[in-house]
Parts: sequence; C-alpha cells; structure tokens
Amino acid sequence: RKEVEQDPGPFNVPEGATVAFNCTYSNSASQSFFWYRQDCRKEPKLLMSVYSSGNEDGRFTAQLNRASQYISLLIRDSKLSDSATYLCVVNILIQGAQKLVFGQGTRLTINP
Amino acid sequence: DAGVIQSPRHEVTEMGQEVTLRCKPISGHDYLFWYRQTMMRGLELLIYFNNNVPIDDSGMPEDRFSAKMPNASFSTLKIQPSEPRDSAVYFCASSSRQGGEAFFGQGTRLTVV
Repeated sequence: RKEVEQDPGPFNVPEGATVAFNCTYSNSASQSFFWYRQDCRKEPKLLMSVYSSGNEDGRFTAQLNRASQYISLLIRDSKLSDSATYLCVVNILIQGAQKLVFGQGTRLTINP
Repeated sequence: DAGVIQSPRHEVTEMGQEVTLRCKPISGHDYLFWYRQTMMRGLELLIYFNNNVPIDDSGMPEDRFSAKMPNASFSTLKIQPSEPRDSAVYFCASSSRQGGEAFFGQGTRLTVV
C-alpha cells in the first residue's frame, strides 16, 4: 500500500462549482499534513496546512480525520485559476527523522 | 528572500555522462530535500539532510546517484553515469523546522539521450 493515496482524477468541473479531493495515509505516526498546489511545469507550492480541528482559508477548507487517516480539501466557488494539480502531503516522523511524502496528485481543470 | 535556487534549469546530456545538479537552500533552513518527479512515479524523495548531515537516503535509486551538502548554503546531486531512465524533473526543497512546510526550487529538467 502506498504511504499517501489520492483520488486519481482528473476532475473537470464548471466554473463556480464545488469540488472535493480526498487523501488517505498509511502511517499512523504521521505528524503534520499539507495540501500543495502545482501548476504545469512549475514547482509545488504550499496551499495550506491541515490542522486537526479543520481549517479554512477563503474558498478552501481542509479537514483531517486521524482515526480514519483521511484528509480532504474542499474548494468552493471554483475559479478558472484553480486549475492545477493538488498534492496531498504527509510528514512522517520515523526514529526522530522527518520525511515529507507526497501523493500522486489530483489534476483539476475548471471549465468556463 | 530569493527562495530556493537550483541550477541548471535545464540539462540535456548523453547517456554515460556525469550530471551535477546544484541547490542553494533558503538561508536559515536546516532541512534540505532532493526530490525527483516523473509522470509515472510522481514526486519521490531521494534524500534529505539536516544540518548538512544526510539523514535518510533510502530513496536514492542506486549507486549511480550521490548527494552532498558541504555547507549550509549548498548541496549537489550527482548522477554518474547517467541513463535515459534518469530523465525527470529534480527538485530541491528546504524547510526551517522539523514537520514544517517545504519550499521548493524551480527544479532542473534533466533529459538523458
């Protein structure tokens, strides 16, 4: 089983729609969680951290369920500029050393 | 801050040649990561350093790959000899704390022909 698994996608949704991505992780020792965004031929950039209580940043909401080892990202009122690949990232602490593990990514296209 | 700086941005080389990729992390960041990205395998962690010391190199594919961090502001990833299957985008990233977010460089697009 992969350490981090995401919805395979691709997602094609109309502008203004709400879209949700899911991600599961296998290591219960995982300490911190992130969503990154990667545009075509660019480097990944942090979109938002994911906190246990859930957190919101404008149109974006991230949720964490430690019991189910599950992370989600919700995008409301999607914009054309939201088109990108979204990467679920889990920071695993093993024997005192951290390891950032990325999911394969989910490609999102917002259509006008 | 200039961010993480990688060079070269693009590299085309012939099979069998040595390739050296370079990275300058963000000043003050104690963690440095080397990743490789391909369509088939996504982003794979190759190796990471903490305070210039290699901590986990389990992702390095084979002995042809080596990485060094001689000081806090410079790291190299070397492939010798290079093979066509090494073609990928190689990213360097740095982080200021354990468990914190990583900031990525713009990557080096390597093509081995």
